[in-house]
Amino acid sequence: GQQVMQIPQYQHVQEGEDFTTYCNSSTTLSNIQWYKQRPGGHPVFLIQLVKSGEVKKQKRLTFQFGEAKKNSSLHITATQTTDVGTYFCAGPPTGGFKTIFGAGTRLFVKA
Amino acid sequence: NAGVTQTPKFQVLKTGQSMTLQCAQDMNHNSMYWYRQDPGMGLRLIYYSASEGTTDKGEVPNGYNVSRLNKREFSLRLESAAPSQTSVYFCASSGLAGLLGFYNEQFFGPGTRLTVL
Repeated sequence: GQQVMQIPQYQHVQEGEDFTTYCNSSTTLSNIQWYKQRPGGHPVFLIQLVKSGEVKKQKRLTFQFGEAKKNSSLHITATQTTDVGTYFCAGPPTGGFKTIFGAGTRLFVKA
Repeated sequence: NAGVTQTPKFQVLKTGQSMTLQCAQDMNHNSMYWYRQDPGMGLRLIYYSASEGTTDKGEVPNGYNVSRLNKREFSLRLESAAPSQTSVYFCASSGLAGLLGFYNEQFFGPGTRLTVL
């Protein structure tokens, strides 16, 4: 079945450093979604990418969808303590419905 | 708008007991989902309902049943709870967006923390 892998599993950074998490799917995705979950909270939608090669920015966050629509990345520039949490990628396979989530990357930011 | 609400927030069961987790959304969404989240495992889809009147199995359906009571409500039932079902359970909903029918962002409820002893 479809698998979505995320790396790294954990990342510790000093405040102000950059951070990147990578997402790879075993199958082509119709779209990729990114969610953030604060400790003790629930996942909150950040963004959706649909087109091959698409790049979107939200302030310090840059999201990219690969040309083959099988991988994606989230890059945070100059991390802040408010960025702490787990970042999940998720997406349904092309032509499918079930959205499969990656295991997430947990970000720790030291002030 | 309350968004997605879940009850209860916490529950402790003994092995073999049954219970129903309730979920409701007020966003007029067609699709609803039940996930479980275990440490290091991310979110795993238990069951989903693409639209009112339909339900389908996700990745980990064994030991669970669901009911899409109406467009607003989607419940998850554990008939005979087992310690392996100790987890955090999230309900989510989404609408249908775009001409190509992409199911867009999912809105999650606050979760139910279930412990089975």
